[in-house]
Amino acid sequence: DGGITQSPKYLFRKEGQNVTLSCEQNLNHDAMYWYRQDPGQGLRLIYYSQIVNDFQKGDIAEGYSVSREKKESFPLTVTSAQKNPTAFYLCASSEFKTASYEQYFGPGTRLTVT
Amino acid sequence: SQKIEQNSEALNIQEGKTATLTCNYTNYSPAYLQWYRQDPGRGPVFLLLIRENEKEKRKERLKVTFDTTLKQSLFHITASQPADSATYLCALDLGSGGYQKVTFGTGTKLQVIP
Repeated sequence: DGGITQSPKYLFRKEGQNVTLSCEQNLNHDAMYWYRQDPGQGLRLIYYSQIVNDFQKGDIAEGYSVSREKKESFPLTVTSAQKNPTAFYLCASSEFKTASYEQYFGPGTRLTVT
Repeated sequence: SQKIEQNSEALNIQEGKTATLTCNYTNYSPAYLQWYRQDPGRGPVFLLLIRENEKEKRKERLKVTFDTTLKQSLFHITASQPADSATYLCALDLGSGGYQKVTFGTGTKLQVIP
């Protein structure tokens, strides 16, 4: 089965700790994205990557970091500098080089920081 | 800045009727517009994409219209079923330089009543 996997589904951390969210895809997509979703708000872009070893900040990158060492993987680290990290995090990928631009989303990770 | 408006209030309709959801946008002329379905606690799933030169797109019971003069897209579900109950998100392409940057609306929650 092709798709995007995110793990874990639920994550709990103490304030002040860094935490890394996993995102893996086997769709052979070049582009990958991280979004954050809060209740009553749309998806907000944190980081995106078009190719391996390259990534760009999205609209709300402060307090987050990413890496793209492999085409299949795009992990997101939520650092202690992120002021309000509790949220639902979604990873997505797309084959943006084609005429079909739809994004494929993973199941999401719900992070709770107390 | 780009603004996308979807009716934040839930839409309740009777089973068998046609559901119509609205997506309005300002300050931009997107090359295309997408609609996604999101179930609670899950990632969005792509439904339809319509380009700026297309007035209407259909897929089974779904129909999307795109009026670039009114800056509005309408999303219709005909013969609605309780299984269609979900939150529906519209998304606009703000891509430049080959990068696909999609901005999502906050979504409209649809409840189909048996």
